[in-house]
Amino acid sequence: ELKVEQNPLFLSMQEGKNYTIYCNYSTTSDRLYWYRQDPGKSLESLFVLLSNGAVKQEGRLMASLDTKARLSTLHITAAVHDLSATYFCAAPRRTQGGSEKLVFGKGTKLTVNP
Amino acid sequence: DSGVTQTPKHLITATGQRVTLRCSPRSGDLSVYWYQQSLDQGLQFLIQYYNGEERAKGNILERFSAQQFPDLHSELNLSSLELGDSALYFCASSVVSSVEQFFGPGTRLTVL
Repeated sequence: ELKVEQNPLFLSMQEGKNYTIYCNYSTTSDRLYWYRQDPGKSLESLFVLLSNGAVKQEGRLMASLDTKARLSTLHITAAVHDLSATYFCAAPRRTQGGSEKLVFGKGTKLTVNP
Repeated sequence: DSGVTQTPKHLITATGQRVTLRCSPRSGDLSVYWYQQSLDQGLQFLIQYYNGEERAKGNILERFSAQQFPDLHSELNLSSLELGDSALYFCASSVVSSVEQFFGPGTRLTVL
């Protein structure tokens, strides 16, 4: 059964600092998704990583995927308050009938303090 | 705005009752997924429909059922509600299976 683990689950950081969130998954997957969720809101797609070695950047966030290590990282550069949110990684799992579902990590709640 | 719509936004009901949550996928998307987000269980996949047919089932209780209609909108029916069913219910859609899913704003269900 596919399991997705994120760490840390809670992250409090100061503005201007850098940090990395880690996402490990237990079985082979060729794709990995990162989502952002603000309190009580929906999931906003941040990155879709489609292959081994994929790296994508958007503003102060950069995500990478290592399928051999079954590891994805979300790196935050020079954090600002607006980045405060919960970040989820998700890996797809094949289901019977050729479909797939997303298996989510527990999320990392990021708080950026001034 | 992902283009996926869900109604209602909030629902407050009592134990033992039945409710229906509605989802309209993005234009052109054939696949609809339902997820439940609760504090203790996190985000869990419930069920998927593709072009009107059930394609995959996750941790969906027998008290819950869903369907996708010919116009591709989907409904999630929750019956004999219990306090533990209180959660955020998200619908997501994609063009086909195995591609990126786009999430709706969610329905917050509170069972009192």
